[in-house]
Amino acid sequence: QKEVEQDPGPLSVPEGAIVSLNCTYSNSAFQYFMWYRQYSRKGPELLMYTYSSGNKEDGRFTAQVDKSSKYISLFIRDSQPSDSATYLCAMRSGAGSYQLTFGKGTKLSVIP
Amino acid sequence: DAMVIQNPRYQVTQFGKPVTLSCSQTLNHNVMYWYQQKSSQAPKLLFHYYDKDFNNEADTPDNFQSRRPNTSFCFLDIRSPGLGDAAMYLCATSRALSNQPQHFGDGTRLSIL
Repeated sequence: QKEVEQDPGPLSVPEGAIVSLNCTYSNSAFQYFMWYRQYSRKGPELLMYTYSSGNKEDGRFTAQVDKSSKYISLFIRDSQPSDSATYLCAMRSGAGSYQLTFGKGTKLSVIP
Repeated sequence: DAMVIQNPRYQVTQFGKPVTLSCSQTLNHNVMYWYQQKSSQAPKLLFHYYDKDFNNEADTPDNFQSRRPNTSFCFLDIRSPGLGDAAMYLCATSRALSNQPQHFGDGTRLSIL
């Protein structure tokens, strides 16, 4: 079993739809959870950064972490064609650990 | 704007010919990382520097080396590139505290002829 599982998609939705992206993980030591957006031929761009369980909202984006289920989600409301990209979840354990464990990424296309 | 800058964006080299990729940062972050990302795969950490302390991942081939002459710059040297080393190479930085996120550059896409 991989440490982080992420459905690679591709996922195609119409403009304006609500998008749900998910990752599951097996390592209960993970405490910091991130979502990165990566456009083609560009580096990953940090979208959301959360610590432990709970929700965090930033504009059209909401990140959820459920540590009891080892499950994290990213919701995109009112999706736009500019949201078309690959979304990578990443996570890290606590103090003293710098290594990120990434999911393989979900490729999202928002169709106008 | 403060950022992580990678040069060049595209690099072509010949099989076995040494190549150096560079990364600079204006964020004044203590930690700098090098990742390898192949098509449709997650980034794979090669090594990182915490200030001048070098930390190699156990499965990083000896063919890959790194230098960090100062806080702002970090280099990735591939001594004898093979066809399997064709990939996107990403540089990232973070503050020393482990609860800080990593910020990535736009990468260098390396092709091997």
